[in-house]
Amino acid sequence: EIVLTQSPATLSLSPGERATLSCRASQSVSSYLAWYQQKPGQAPRLLIYDASNRATGIPARFSGSGSGTDFTLTISSLEPEDFAVYYCQQRSNWPPVTFGPGTKVDIK
Amino acid sequence: QLQLQESGSGLVKPSQTLSLTCAVSGGSISSGGYSWSWIRQPPGKGLEWIGYIYHSGSTYYNPSLKSRVTISVDRSKNQFSLKLSSVTAADTAVYYCARGQGSYYPYWGQGTLVTVSS
Repeated sequence: EIVLTQSPATLSLSPGERATLSCRASQSVSSYLAWYQQKPGQAPRLLIYDASNRATGIPARFSGSGSGTDFTLTISSLEPEDFAVYYCQQRSNWPPVTFGPGTKVDIK
Repeated sequence: QLQLQESGSGLVKPSQTLSLTCAVSGGSISSGGYSWSWIRQPPGKGLEWIGYIYHSGSTYYNPSLKSRVTISVDRSKNQFSLKLSSVTAADTAVYYCARGQGSYYPYWGQGTLVTVSS
């Protein structure tokens, strides 16, 4: 099973700042990595798939990069609605599909 | 617009079987190219993939749960179901159904909390 680790666990930033979230895989997942946003009481929302492709309707301030074992989600300028928990997910070597433990982006 | 809605018992006794159904609207569960999935999230914790069933009927389960999980499809009702046997308190979670495309999940249900308690 591929284990995903995310850092930092919590990121405290102000609106307008840039957020950089990291996801590392225990072995190569090629580019088969996605990012999700989850707000309290809601289901996760797909943001990025295949490491760098924005899902339908996702604003351009969200971007993904990386391949192999190291990946980054960047939010170029935080909007108030972006404060949430972000999960990475791999589909390279399944079953099982696995998720990272999450990074919480909260307001500084 | 595709919509998914979970339903089932919100309280299950230890050692019994958890049963949930996901009703699909705005699209056919028989459409090719998609997987119909269950994912769960214990309170305050991260996401765990349970498994999925393809339109063809093939199933894939998380090895950690495989011995206890069954996912099935009812095409006549455009819905799919989850059964998880021999539940314990560790199975308490919000259970989501989702439609997968290439094993990514753009469509999710709202989730339903299942508590395992006597």
